[in-house]
Amino acid sequence: DQQVKQNSPSLSVQEGRISILNCDYTNSMFDYFLWYKKYPAEGPTFLISISSIKDKNEDGRFTVFLNKSAKHLSLHIVPSQPGDSAVYFCAATVPGTASKLTFGTGTRLQVTL
Amino acid sequence: GAVVSQHPSRVICKSGTSVKIECRSLDFQATTMFWYRQFPKQSLMLMATSNEGSKATYEQGVEKDKFLINHASLTLSTLTVTSAHPEDSSFYICSASVGLDSYQETQYFGPGTRLLVL
Repeated sequence: DQQVKQNSPSLSVQEGRISILNCDYTNSMFDYFLWYKKYPAEGPTFLISISSIKDKNEDGRFTVFLNKSAKHLSLHIVPSQPGDSAVYFCAATVPGTASKLTFGTGTRLQVTL
Repeated sequence: GAVVSQHPSRVICKSGTSVKIECRSLDFQATTMFWYRQFPKQSLMLMATSNEGSKATYEQGVEKDKFLINHASLTLSTLTVTSAHPEDSSFYICSASVGLDSYQETQYFGPGTRLLVL
């Protein structure tokens, strides 16, 4: 039962344009959402997060939007840079399980010149 | 920043043998370490949570007698896959945090170990 879904396995975006990565979830108990970035041969690194009490969180070029009614979140990267090319995972947690992350399957982003 | 290493990065073994994977926090003390498994085209799945000096807590469906976890020090946790079979072939990745109540973003991941059982 995949509770966190990333339906696009890959995405290609031109440098300077906006990258939009999407994530859907089914468990209405999730109250905290995170995005991780993973380069080949490295572990995932934390990128940005959002609490369910918010609908937007911004950090530099990265913005995460949360639509609770649709059980959908998205990560916007603008402007996209070649160094952003990586696999992006969204993850979620439920209250009371602070560090138990439920991950999506990941989206491979390729930023082209 | 905090660095977590894993050794080996990849291992090939015969069916029926045991394989040990090490996870080390290099520049911080990790009271809690997590072990995940990722099958091809699937998400990272939490296998178990281990706290230094105590028994690991396994997720539902994960056999504790098959996946032995030892967290003997604040910088080292090991995962031993006992009597490995081809279906155990997967990508195993660990993470470490400074405490179970830490914010999720302070969970630092290792680079992973790819296990292939022939």
